[in-house]
Order: sequence, then C-alpha cells, then structure tokens
Amino acid sequence: DAGVIQSPRHEVTEMGQEVTLRCKPISGHDYLFWYRQTMMRGLELLIYFNNNVPIDDSGMPEDRFSAKMPNASFSTLKIQPSEPRDSAVYFCASSLSLAGVNEQYFGPGTRLTVT
Amino acid sequence: DAKTTQPNSMESNEEEPVHLPCNHSTISGTDYIHWYRQLPSQGPEYVIHGLTSNVNNRMASLAIAEDRKSSTLILHRATLRDAAVYYCILRDVEPYNQGGKLIFGQGTELSVKP
Repeated sequence: DAGVIQSPRHEVTEMGQEVTLRCKPISGHDYLFWYRQTMMRGLELLIYFNNNVPIDDSGMPEDRFSAKMPNASFSTLKIQPSEPRDSAVYFCASSLSLAGVNEQYFGPGTRLTVT
Repeated sequence: DAKTTQPNSMESNEEEPVHLPCNHSTISGTDYIHWYRQLPSQGPEYVIHGLTSNVNNRMASLAIAEDRKSSTLILHRATLRDAAVYYCILRDVEPYNQGGKLIFGQGTELSVKP
C-alpha cells in the first residue's frame, strides 16, 4: 500500500483565495483524520470521519473551514476565504478504528502558506 | 488538558541507548500508552504502544511502571535518523469512546550527536 496520500505537498496562495487540500486514506481504513500543525499550537486535531461521516468537528477553527468525505477513498479540507493565520502544515491520517490498540498512519502533509 | 508530561528536549550520542521518560499520573485503567515520533518535515509515525507489560518491537522498547503512572521509551542504539520529536499519548482502548483520539502534547525533541 502506498500509505496515506496528500496533495498538493505545498500550496502558496493569497489571502482571500479558496484553498482545497486533498487526502486519500489507506484502503480499508474506516477512520480519517485531519490535523493542523503550527509552531505556536503544535499538532491539533481538526475533524475526523468514520465511514465517510463526520463524527467530531470540534477542532475546526471557524466556519471558513469545511471538510468532506464523499467516498471511502477521498477527503477534502477546504478553507474559504483563506487568511495568513491559516498558514500551517496540514496532515491527513487514517486508521482501522478509534480503539486504542490501532495506530494511525499519517500522510506527508501539505504545507500551506497564505500571503 | 495535557494528560502526559515529557521533557522538552534531550540529547544523545550516536549508538548509545536513549531513555525518553513520560509521566501520566492520571492514567485510567482503559488507557493505552502510545508513542509516536515525527521526523523533520514528515508526518508523525507510530513507534510502539502498551497497556501494562513492557513491550518490544523492531523500533524500540516500552517500559511501563508497575503503577502505570509513568513509562519510558527506550531506543537501544540511537542513530542520526532517530533525531525527531517523540510524543507520548494516552488512548482509550474502547473504540466508541472518543478518548481514542490522538491528542498531541509538545513532545520531547531528541537530538543525536555523531
């Protein structure tokens, strides 16, 4: 398996533009997670899905952020409109379950820069 | 809301053992102790996990105190590629409990000197 795939790896955009980050989880994994990492706040869980259904979006910073999972092999995280404070590395991860015995597999991340 | 406490940074020499401590005094009976690490410019990766007994795998060993209030990740021979931030995380064993989410603290930044 190729692991969790994220695209693009780097994104530079101007303030006010829409940004869409993409993720393909590992086949067969029922859970998909979106994280954000900044120097100030570290790694934060934004939202996670179980069987394509959003379960907990309490980490989504504000309404400008939205996430979808139209099928088991694809998810998007959208920021509209983007702001400079959204600059961060965004990671997608997947796992078989939420149980504490199952590890999460992370993608390489998308480095977003909003100017 | 951190449930674990780790030193901010540690140093090691190449090919020497490294002991990374973690305190989790409020651990519950259903919490697994997980360790992840994040190499520079990469996503976090799973290292090891355990419940009560010490655990070994190809990457590391995990020593868990008898009262489970602390644990130690052991890298038997550190290499330059082990330089990373190491995170100690508690996760509930039950899948229906959102305690199974990964909540990252600040971790320990390990540097390895040649």
